[in-house]
Amino acid sequence: ELKVEQNPLFLSMQEGKNYTIYCNYSTTSDRLYWYRQDPGKSLESLFVLLSNGAVKQEGRLMASLDTKARLSTLHITAAVHDLSATYFCAVDIEGKSTFGDGTTLTVKP
Amino acid sequence: DAGVIQSPRHEVTEMGQEVTLRCKPISGHDYLFWYRQTMMRGLELLIYFNNNVPIDDSGMPEDRFSAKMPNASFSTLKIQPSEPRDSAVYFCASSQDRGRVQPQHFGDGTRLSIL
Repeated sequence: ELKVEQNPLFLSMQEGKNYTIYCNYSTTSDRLYWYRQDPGKSLESLFVLLSNGAVKQEGRLMASLDTKARLSTLHITAAVHDLSATYFCAVDIEGKSTFGDGTTLTVKP
Repeated sequence: DAGVIQSPRHEVTEMGQEVTLRCKPISGHDYLFWYRQTMMRGLELLIYFNNNVPIDDSGMPEDRFSAKMPNASFSTLKIQPSEPRDSAVYFCASSQDRGRVQPQHFGDGTRLSIL
């Protein structure tokens, strides 16, 4: 059974600081997704990572994938309040995605 | 593109009643997924369809839950009889063929409360 573990589960950080969220998974996979969920809202796709060494960047967020280590990271650069949300990684095997528990990020002024 | 459309947005009903949740996927998407989200269990995949055919229903909690996809533009998730522990947010999501490597697009969810 595929297990997807995110850490930390809760993250409080100051504006302007950098931090990294980690996503570990237990089984070889050919794709990994990052999603964002605002409180009371739906999930929004952020990144699709397909191969070992893949790196995607959008604004202050950068995601990477190391398939050998079965690890993906979501790096936050110079955090701003608007980034406060819950971030999920999801690992896809043959069309079925297994989600991590999510990392709830709070950015404080 | 209207996105994935779910109805109702909110549902409050009494234990034992039948509940039907509805989903219209994005036109042209081949995959449709039903998820349940709770604080205790996080986001759980219940069932997913490919080209209207159920592929994996191993996440369906028990026989009280059933899902159908009669055509490419409509799916239902039914709970009969409902129980308080079924209270959750139910999301529907759709995606294009995985060969095109697309993420899932989620609907706004149905917030279900069983009293």
